[in-house]
Amino acid sequence: GAVVSQHPSWVICKSGTSVKIECRSLDFQATTMFWYRQFPKQSLMLMATSNEGSKATYEQGVEKDKFLINHASLTLSTLTVTSAHPEDSSFYICSAPHLGASEAFFGQGTRLTVV
Amino acid sequence: DAKTTQPPSMDCAEGRAANLPCNHSTISGNEYVYWYRQIHSQGPQYIIHGLKNNETNEMASLIITEDRKSSTLILPHATLRDTAVYYCIVRPLSGSARQLTFGSGTQLTVLP
Repeated sequence: GAVVSQHPSWVICKSGTSVKIECRSLDFQATTMFWYRQFPKQSLMLMATSNEGSKATYEQGVEKDKFLINHASLTLSTLTVTSAHPEDSSFYICSAPHLGASEAFFGQGTRLTVV
Repeated sequence: DAKTTQPPSMDCAEGRAANLPCNHSTISGNEYVYWYRQIHSQGPQYIIHGLKNNETNEMASLIITEDRKSSTLILPHATLRDTAVYYCIVRPLSGSARQLTFGSGTQLTVLP
């Protein structure tokens, strides 16, 4: 089946620094990718929709200047958490819908810890 | 997308069948029932989906009631590795580039 790879799996960063998370569709092209955030013991919440070649669309309450999304190619979307703070510590997950498939494919997630 | 209701948690003995219910009373005619699961600290994994007929694959079976207002995911022989949060999601036409809306799911714990 189709594979979505997310990197890194986990990252620890200092408060005030920026962190980039990559999401790649390995064997299919994805014009759209989705970024979710999951806090402990909570469900996945959609943060933004990444669109290849155009600006991302953000869900209400998600700061676009803090969570920078770049979808420069049909197989890669990146999420950069800028000026990270401890409250940004969370599990970030990307998803890429394969238009020829019935199901959505998810990356393995990135555990971000800001200290 | 139609709202779904699932019990927050369930236990199941290893080797026994796990039956996870889901209510989706407001489902529309063009909406499918999807099941995903999320093992701790991993991304969600697709399990199965269906429209109105019962479905079976190598992972599970999906039983959808005739009125389509509820469904049951069946793991025929649960193992410890099946311990996860199971999400029932209702969404329109498969294959469309749409995000999934996750509810709170059911935490299934398989006991040895």
